Amino acid sequence: EPEVTQTPSHQVTQMGQEVILRCVPISNHLYFYWYRQILGQKVEFLVSFYNNEISEKSEIFDDQFSVERPDGSNFTLKIRSTKLEDSAMYFCASSGWSEQYFGPGTRLTVT
Amino acid sequence: GENVEQHPSTLSVQEGDSAVIKCTYSDSASNYFPWYKQELGKRPQLIIDIRSNVGEKKDQRIAVTLNKTAKHFSLHITETQPEDSAVYFCSSEYGNKLVFGAGTILRVKS
Repeated sequence: EPEVTQTPSHQVTQMGQEVILRCVPISNHLYFYWYRQILGQKVEFLVSFYNNEISEKSEIFDDQFSVERPDGSNFTLKIRSTKLEDSAMYFCASSGWSEQYFGPGTRLTVT
Repeated sequence: GENVEQHPSTLSVQEGDSAVIKCTYSDSASNYFPWYKQELGKRPQLIIDIRSNVGEKKDQRIAVTLNKTAKHFSLHITETQPEDSAVYFCSSEYGNKLVFGAGTILRVKS
């Protein structure tokens, strides 16, 4: 059964540094998403992406965040200047027309 | 704005008993309600979903009910087993995103 994959599984970075989180969505899916989950809290929507452009974004997704689909398989989330409060688990998800399937997540630790 | 409330926050049941988790949503335009199970350190996994054109859906020991008028939906797990222990999140689709409830920690005691 195809799955969403993410790399790295854990990323440690210093405050102010840039990080890129990578995702490979399920191959025939059309919609791609990033969510984050702060430890012990609920999953929060960041951004959705369709047809090579952002279709919706949350208040969390400010100017320090960007997404890109650089080729036919990868979907990336870039955080330009990380803050301590960006520490969280970041999940990528993809969907066809409805069900969203989540990747295993990247745990981002900002020190 | 869009909001999903989930109760209870924790639920302990004896193995073999039933578990019920309830959610309410705010936007009457929402039509799709998936439930996710998340084990410690793992990804949220879709376990069942329901659309607004049906009131109930069942898959083996798991069932979901939806009351669109009251904007309530519920997850029912029957004959609970220790492997059902996890955090369960309800969610509601708004536009191009899922909005999640705060989660229910389910503990099944053997």
